[in-house]
Amino acid sequence: TQLLEQSPQFLSIQEGENLTVYCNSSSVFSSLQWYRQEPGEGPVLLVTVVTGGEVKKLKRLTFQFGDARKDSSLHITAAQPGDTGLYLCAGESMDSSYKLIFGSGTRLLVRP
Amino acid sequence: EAGVAQSPRYKIIEKRQSVAFWCNPISGHATLYWYQQILGQGPKLLIQFQNNGVVDDSQLPKDRFSAERLKGVDSTLKIQPAKLEDSAVYLCASTQHGLAGPNEQFFGPGTRLTVL
Repeated sequence: TQLLEQSPQFLSIQEGENLTVYCNSSSVFSSLQWYRQEPGEGPVLLVTVVTGGEVKKLKRLTFQFGDARKDSSLHITAAQPGDTGLYLCAGESMDSSYKLIFGSGTRLLVRP
Repeated sequence: EAGVAQSPRYKIIEKRQSVAFWCNPISGHATLYWYQQILGQGPKLLIQFQNNGVVDDSQLPKDRFSAERLKGVDSTLKIQPAKLEDSAVYLCASTQHGLAGPNEQFFGPGTRLTVL
């Protein structure tokens, strides 16, 4: 069974601080996606990484896919209250079944 | 482009009652998913449809849950009878199938079910 573990589970920081969220697995994925979910809404895709070692930047967010395509990280620089939400990583199975395995999520609170 | 639509947004029922959720995916998306998201956890796949056929329902509690996608467009998920542990948000997602590249799913707003 493929599992994705996210850490930390909860993070409360002050506006302007930096943070990193980790997503780890013993399984290899064909791609790794990060979603953000706000209360009362469904997850919204932030980024997809496909190649081992790939780094993508989205404004103050930096996403990295591990060389072995088993892990990923999300780094936020100078966090803002608008970054508050549940961050989910999701790995796509290698078996071309179009299934995603979701991590348990990291709940981020950025205090003004 | 319209997103994934779900209804109702909220539902409160008593245990042993039945409930149904509806989902209309993005136009042209052949693959539709139903997920269960318990508070504090990530979404767990219940069932995956490809057009009107079931691709994976291995995690669907078939003694009480059922789902259909008769015309390969919208879908319904039913729970009968509901248990307390079914309290969760039920998310519907869709994706285009058959295109090269990663599977990027688009989610609806979810239905929050509370079983009393």
